Amino acid sequence: NAGVMQNPRHLVRRRGQEARLRCSPMKGHSHVYWYRQLPEEGLKFMVYLQKENIIDESGMPKERFSAEFPKEGPSILRIQQVVRGDSAAYFCASSRESLNTEAFFGQGTRLTVV
Amino acid sequence: QQQVKQSPQSLIVQKGGISIINCAYENTAFDYFPWYQQFPGKGPALLIAIRPDVSEKKEGRFTISFNKSAKQFSLHIMDSQPGDSATYFCAAHSYDKVIFGPGTSLSVIP
Repeated sequence: NAGVMQNPRHLVRRRGQEARLRCSPMKGHSHVYWYRQLPEEGLKFMVYLQKENIIDESGMPKERFSAEFPKEGPSILRIQQVVRGDSAAYFCASSRESLNTEAFFGQGTRLTVV
Repeated sequence: QQQVKQSPQSLIVQKGGISIINCAYENTAFDYFPWYQQFPGKGPALLIAIRPDVSEKKEGRFTISFNKSAKQFSLHIMDSQPGDSATYFCAAHSYDKVIFGPGTSLSVIP
């Protein structure tokens, strides 16, 4: 039973490029969450998605960031025109039911903007 | 802005000792309180979680104590081992919101 799978594990982008981060939830999980973690800091909630729906995106910057969780395939966090301040670890978690139930994290994607 | 306060920021405990990390929340709508353990370069792993209808939950060496009236909860690690050295995060969830504490870096020394 595979856990939450994130890819790529490491991503290097030049300023102005686009970054696409993928997350495949655990089998049977239809709720996905994205978090950002800066070095030596805690996790900051970005967005909560259920299949084909954005439930809460209050933690996501209004510009350049978008997320989707299509009916088929992984959830995608997309960052357009990346800047150095976007460099961070991005974690995805999934749960079978709503946000206040047991959730499992992936290993993260470490984005470096050069 | 809603916060979850976590203390201490860092903690050094001798092997065999008890590690205690505390968290406090503000919003009474929160109804699920997990603790996560994170090793460098890894994702957070769920350690133990509690709901407000119980005051204590124990799993192996890990215990959560929960004080609903004070809006506080704590993680106790009994018989701490060097392998427990990691960063620990508390979190507070409602059905549509989650807030993490800033983390506690635990070092267990031999």
